[in-house]
Amino acid sequence: QVQLVQSGAEVKKPGASVKVSCKASGYSFTNYWIHWVRQAPGQGLEWMGTINPNGGNTDSAQKFQGRVTMTRDTSTNTVYMEMSSLRSEDTAVYYCARDKENWNDVFHFWGQGTLVTVSS
Amino acid sequence: DIQMTQSPSSLSASVGDRVTITCRASQTVSTYVQWYQQKPGKAPKLLIYAASNLEGGVPSRFSGSGSGTDFTLTISSLQPEDFATYYCQQSFSTIPFTFGGGTKVEIK
Repeated sequence: QVQLVQSGAEVKKPGASVKVSCKASGYSFTNYWIHWVRQAPGQGLEWMGTINPNGGNTDSAQKFQGRVTMTRDTSTNTVYMEMSSLRSEDTAVYYCARDKENWNDVFHFWGQGTLVTVSS
Repeated sequence: DIQMTQSPSSLSASVGDRVTITCRASQTVSTYVQWYQQKPGKAPKLLIYAASNLEGGVPSRFSGSGSGTDFTLTISSLQPEDFATYYCQQSFSTIPFTFGGGTKVEIK
């Protein structure tokens, strides 16, 4: 069965960086784009960006460009999202999600989420 | 960016009620709209894709409709497990793939 397993919670100071991982299993890793979506406490969902594991090309929302880097490791079927220059407003649960088969940009399978807390 | 505006932001309903949630796009998105259900502390779950297609395993009391700019999620007979927050999302534009602000369905 398809599974996306994310790394554990992180606590970071303002200005630091964080790298969240998302390990995929149960399907052909390079066949489906992976997206990153975040949710601040008590708030809605915000799409951040996406990576094509087949080639590593990425796209991201303008507000995250220059601060978010998405990469993948095909030897371990893992994608990574690294965010730099963290500020308190980046405190959120970060989710990875996989496209639905034959439907691009429909978020079918989700990771369990990774809480990133930014606090001095 | 395409804005997705959901209404209401919250509602109270009883078990067995018919519930309707609407989502309006700031420009046409054809039928490239999805609906997700999220329960506290959990990841969102895909309910409806491409405006009206029921995801496998989702109960048939859920349905979606609409095209262009106006979309609707309907729960025909609300069940206890349906109390949650619901989000629409558009996938028409290249990026960003925006979500609505959410509708919290609470017990009356």
